[in-house]
Amino acid sequence: KQEVTQIPAALSVPEGENLVLNCSFTDSAIYNLQWFRQDPGKGLTSLLLIQSSQREQTSGRLNASLDKSSGRSTLYIAASQPGDSATYLCAVLYTGGFKTIFGAGTRLFVKA
Amino acid sequence: GAVVSQHPSWVICKSGTSVKIECRSLDFQATTMFWYRQFPKQSLMLMATSNEGSKATYEQGVEKDKFLINHASLTLSTLTVTSAHPEDSSFYICSARMAGSSYEQYFGPGTRLTVT
Repeated sequence: KQEVTQIPAALSVPEGENLVLNCSFTDSAIYNLQWFRQDPGKGLTSLLLIQSSQREQTSGRLNASLDKSSGRSTLYIAASQPGDSATYLCAVLYTGGFKTIFGAGTRLFVKA
Repeated sequence: GAVVSQHPSWVICKSGTSVKIECRSLDFQATTMFWYRQFPKQSLMLMATSNEGSKATYEQGVEKDKFLINHASLTLSTLTVTSAHPEDSSFYICSARMAGSSYEQYFGPGTRLTVT
């Protein structure tokens, strides 16, 4: 079964701290992996998209890595800010069926 | 960047009535659109996948007669919740996939449905 798991489910850190969010997937036959941010009651905002042939992508303070062989991706957030508080979702597009499977998300709270 | 809109952003309806939610890709053509449902503090559950001009493919457990999906054009898909009940109250999000090499999905802002 194609699944996506995110750890931890929730995380609280002080402002300024660097942090890592984890995503694991069960099948290495993926087309791409996408990280999203969701604020309460809002839709999804795409943060980073990593193609299966890529190892990492960077945008500002965000860096996402992809290791297909181990079925893992990490989202690194540098110098966290209170405005980073949100739920971060990992989504994997598997080549079989071309369906995007979402993880349950990590709820991040950055304390001022 | 690619923008997807949804209308309405929130709606309250009475039990037994039907509600239509629109999803539009504003600046690109979407060959495939997806409808998701999200319960509080849970992740997104894929309801159905629709390709322009063909019938939607529903996920297991999703009633196709209750959640009617129409993908009439390359920029518009609609979800109609028929004979709504309070348990249909949820956050509904659509996304659109642009044809191309990245297959990146662009998400709408979501629609909050409350059935009283």
